[in-house]
Amino acid sequence: DSGVTQTPKHLITATGQRVTLRCSPRSGDLSVYWYQQSLDQGLQFLIQYYNGEERAKGNILERFSAQQFPDLHSELNLSSLELGDSALYFCASSVEDHGSGELFFGEGSRLTVL
Amino acid sequence: GDSVTQMEGPVTLSEEAFLTINCTYTATGYPSLFWYVQYPGEGLQLLLKATKADDKGSNKGFEATYRKETTSFHLEKGSVQVSDSAVYFCALRPSLAGNMLTFGGGTRLMVKP
Repeated sequence: DSGVTQTPKHLITATGQRVTLRCSPRSGDLSVYWYQQSLDQGLQFLIQYYNGEERAKGNILERFSAQQFPDLHSELNLSSLELGDSALYFCASSVEDHGSGELFFGEGSRLTVL
Repeated sequence: GDSVTQMEGPVTLSEEAFLTINCTYTATGYPSLFWYVQYPGEGLQLLLKATKADDKGSNKGFEATYRKETTSFHLEKGSVQVSDSAVYFCALRPSLAGNMLTFGGGTRLMVKP
């Protein structure tokens, strides 16, 4: 158990809809990262927050947004969903944003868009 | 940009066989290199890392050496077990970045009794 909690574990929705994925980092971790894992693209970095502020942005679509709240949990919002958005979305956390490079991953939220 | 290339799987071995999973990278500067492992139904977890050239990372019988001259970080284990069956990801952290990691495509290892 990494200590990172993601909900929901599974989500099935239709094209055009909007969903929110939630992540609670390990106790004491200030940094949260979102990754997308799909069969054709592999594991892609989406976005990072540190203590409530956006710190780095990767290949995140404009239809996607994220935020980190004062209690340090984070949410990833996916809107106008397309079939290609079906993937496993991982949240990871670390104590700091510059350091060892060790990230602690949750078990992921599997999104299926029909 | 930075990238990581791993050998495609699946790799199927018998128990106690020798394992090598190849990983090469492209990056400017002096990145840190990592191997993460993903067991079925779980998130990724750090297996080992190396932060500078010629460093050897090791954990749970797995080893990898940071070879700057060949831009490689191959994962090895002398005797695999069924419990090693998982997906293995090679990753790098650019030298001037925070903790943002770039991952390879992953290699699935299946170990048969």
